[in-house]
Parts: sequence; C-alpha cells; structure tokens
Amino acid sequence: SQTIHQWPATLVQPVGSPLSLECTVEGTSNPNLYWYRQAAGRGLQLLFYSVGIGQISSEVPQNLSASRPQDRQFILSSKKLLLSDSGFYLCAWSPTGQAKNIQYFGAGTRLSVL
Amino acid sequence: SQQGEEDPQALSIQEGENATMNCSYKTSINNLQWYRQNSGRGLVHLILIRSNEREKHSGRLRVTLDTSKKSSSLLITASRAADTASYFCATAVAGGTSYGKLTFGQGTILTVHP
Repeated sequence: SQTIHQWPATLVQPVGSPLSLECTVEGTSNPNLYWYRQAAGRGLQLLFYSVGIGQISSEVPQNLSASRPQDRQFILSSKKLLLSDSGFYLCAWSPTGQAKNIQYFGAGTRLSVL
Repeated sequence: SQQGEEDPQALSIQEGENATMNCSYKTSINNLQWYRQNSGRGLVHLILIRSNEREKHSGRLRVTLDTSKKSSSLLITASRAADTASYFCATAVAGGTSYGKLTFGQGTILTVHP
C-alpha cells in the first residue's frame, strides 16, 4: 500500500533562516506531487506541483522554492524565511494517468517563523 | 484563486442530527471531491462525484452535484461527535493538462456536540 511521509511535524524558525521540508512517498512510482500552504485552518493554497523528477511548476510567486531530486521525494525550501511564511504546510500525491486525481495527504508541518 | 466556496463557514449540531454543507464553483469540472480534515492533520479523501453524475452515496455520506448551478452538497446523516472536523470541496477542472491539480474551497467547520 502507498504511504506518504512528511517531516518535521512542527518547526520554529527565526526570520531570515533557511527552510527545508521533506516529503516522501512509498509504494507507488511516478506520482504527481504537490505542496500546499494552509493559513488559519482554512482553505488550501497550492504552492508547487511536480509531474516528474526535476519538473516543478509554481502556482504562486513567493519566497519559497521546491525540488524533486528523486521520483518519490519532494522538498520545499527557502533561503531566508519571512514572518509571512508561517503556516501549515501539506504535501500530497496523486497517481498519474488516472482521471480521478484523488490526492493523498501527509500529516503536515506546522511552521512558525518568529 | 479559490474556485470552491463552501457554505456555511461553520456548522454546529447535536449528535444524531444531519449536517449539510454546500459548495459552489465557477468553471467546468471533470469531478468534484470532498475531503475531511481533523484539527492539525492532513486531509482525507471522502468521496468523488463525476461531472456526469448527480448523486452518490458512501455509508452515511450523500453527495449531490448540479452542474447547471455549479454547486454540490455533502450530507452527513446521523452525525456523531467523531464527525467533528473541517470539510472541504475540491474541483478538478475540465480539459487541458491539469496534471491532477485540484482547487480547494475554504471549508466548513463542523462541530457535533455529544
């Protein structure tokens, strides 16, 4: 069966520090991968999605970047965090080649930038 | 931009009552999905309804879709305290190379009192 791992669960970082959040998927190959940010427990904002290794699409211009160095690994990064980067970050995957495009989510990372 | 808009934003009911949440969207869709999120956790897929379907059932869940009105509703019958969570609709836009992307609404916070 497929599983998705996202870590860390919580993170407190000072303004101006770098960021690296990691997400890995097991039990499937060539998944579509997504990074979302959720503010105040409400709607999800799609930040990045990837359809393959090294293929990253950005949905919203911002202080963050994403990379996919391996088929089932998706990394969210920042060189210098801003206060506005605080939020709940969610990684998700969906199978390719299916019209259903159901997404499966990780447990999330709560990021506080102080 | 958020395609889906849920209504109401918050719903408080007693155990055993039915809960109805509504979702409106703007563009043509391939399918519409509902997800559940417990506080501080990732989202979990509940049910998917295709654009050519009008109603779908899964256990205590009933989803309807009206493409002419671009709206959907989620009914949870005989609610339980464990149903307390946020519920999100998500739409898969029709056509093009959407790469499995979904657009999520702002969510409805459901509280079921024992």
